[in-house]
Amino acid sequence: RKEVEQDPGPFNVPEGATVAFNCTYSNSASQSFFWYRQDCRKEPKLLMSVYSSGNEDGRFTAQLNRASQYISLLIRDSKLSDSATYLCVVIFPDTGGFKTIFGAGTRLFVKA
Amino acid sequence: DTEVTQTPKHLVMGMTNKKSLKCEQHMGHRAMYWYKQKAKKPPELMFVYSYEKLSINESVPSRFSPECPNSSLLNLHLHALQPEDSALYLCASSQDPNFSGANVLTFGAGSRLTVL
Repeated sequence: RKEVEQDPGPFNVPEGATVAFNCTYSNSASQSFFWYRQDCRKEPKLLMSVYSSGNEDGRFTAQLNRASQYISLLIRDSKLSDSATYLCVVIFPDTGGFKTIFGAGTRLFVKA
Repeated sequence: DTEVTQTPKHLVMGMTNKKSLKCEQHMGHRAMYWYKQKAKKPPELMFVYSYEKLSINESVPSRFSPECPNSSLLNLHLHALQPEDSALYLCASSQDPNFSGANVLTFGAGSRLTVL
């Protein structure tokens, strides 16, 4: 089983739609969770951290379910500019420090 | 300054060339990273420097040689590369490698490498 798995995508949605991505992780000792966004031929950029209580930033809502070991990202009222690859990131303790694992990424295409 | 700066943005080299990629950050971050990313794949960790010491080497071939001259600079020396090494090379930094919540990665724009 991969350490971090994401919905394979691609997701093709019309403008204004609500879309949700899930990401599961295998290491129960995982401590920190993030969603990154990566545009084509650009670097990944932090979209938001994910907290146990859930957190919202405008149209974006992130949730963490420790019992089931998954995180989610909900995008409401999708915009054309939301088209990108969304990477979930999980950090867990490892020998000598922490290990950062990226999911494979979910591609989102928002159409007019 | 909240940026990680990478140079060059693009590099084309032959298999016998020696070149270097450079990375700089002035955020006071104590961990710096090299990642390799192929098209439609997630970033793949190569090296981690923690407090200017190499802490992780993910079994990277010796034709890639990292160097951390000081806490703000990170280099990746390239020699005798293969065409399959063509990729986007991303540098990243994080605030404190000893605290998971402070391990949020800030990436540079990357150096796109083509090996002929």
